[in-house]
Amino acid sequence: IAGITQAPTSQILAAGRRMTLRCTQDMRHNAMYWYRQDLGLGLRLIHYSNTAGTTGKGEVPDGYSVSRANTDDFPLTLASAVPSQTSVYFCASSRGDSGANVLTFGAGSRLTVL
Amino acid sequence: LAKTTQPISMDSYEGQEVNITCSHNNIATNDYITWYQQFPSQGPRFIIQGYKTKVTNEVASLFIPADRKSSTLSLPRVSLSDTAVYYCLVGDAAGYSTLTFGKGTMLLVSP
Repeated sequence: IAGITQAPTSQILAAGRRMTLRCTQDMRHNAMYWYRQDLGLGLRLIHYSNTAGTTGKGEVPDGYSVSRANTDDFPLTLASAVPSQTSVYFCASSRGDSGANVLTFGAGSRLTVL
Repeated sequence: LAKTTQPISMDSYEGQEVNITCSHNNIATNDYITWYQQFPSQGPRFIIQGYKTKVTNEVASLFIPADRKSSTLSLPRVSLSDTAVYYCLVGDAAGYSTLTFGKGTMLLVSP
């Protein structure tokens, strides 16, 4: 079934550790996104990528980095995790066509930083 | 940056029609309006999208007035399974950084 695969599903991490959340899509979508979701704050955009080789900062980029080496993969890295990064992380993708941009989301990765 | 404002929560009963309104006063000419539904422990999923006037699909209708500064998602005859958070998103493909979600509307459908 075409869609987005995120890994891991959940992870408990000690503060200060490095962590990479993986995201892979098989829809050949041009654009990909990382959001975090926290209770009462809704979904907030961390980073995005218009196409392979390019990335951009979203609303809350500090403490996170991304890369887009190819069309399918868009990993999110926390270089040194802090407790405030405890959240549910969603990866999404879209065709990136002009005008009507519909997002397809993954199932999410629940990260707890202790 | 087209910010959106929605009610935090709404309550309804099975079989009723539910209308959720989203305000987006500074919507840009190229922006589309898209609504998503999210169940607990799942990612949001697409419901409906429109640019102006009215759009209808098998699950919902979307009403957009001429000035496009607001939109209303209409769910006909809701059931318990429609209990979810509904997000309004305004943006276009040319400005990826503007795909910013609001806090959503928590719809609770009771028997």
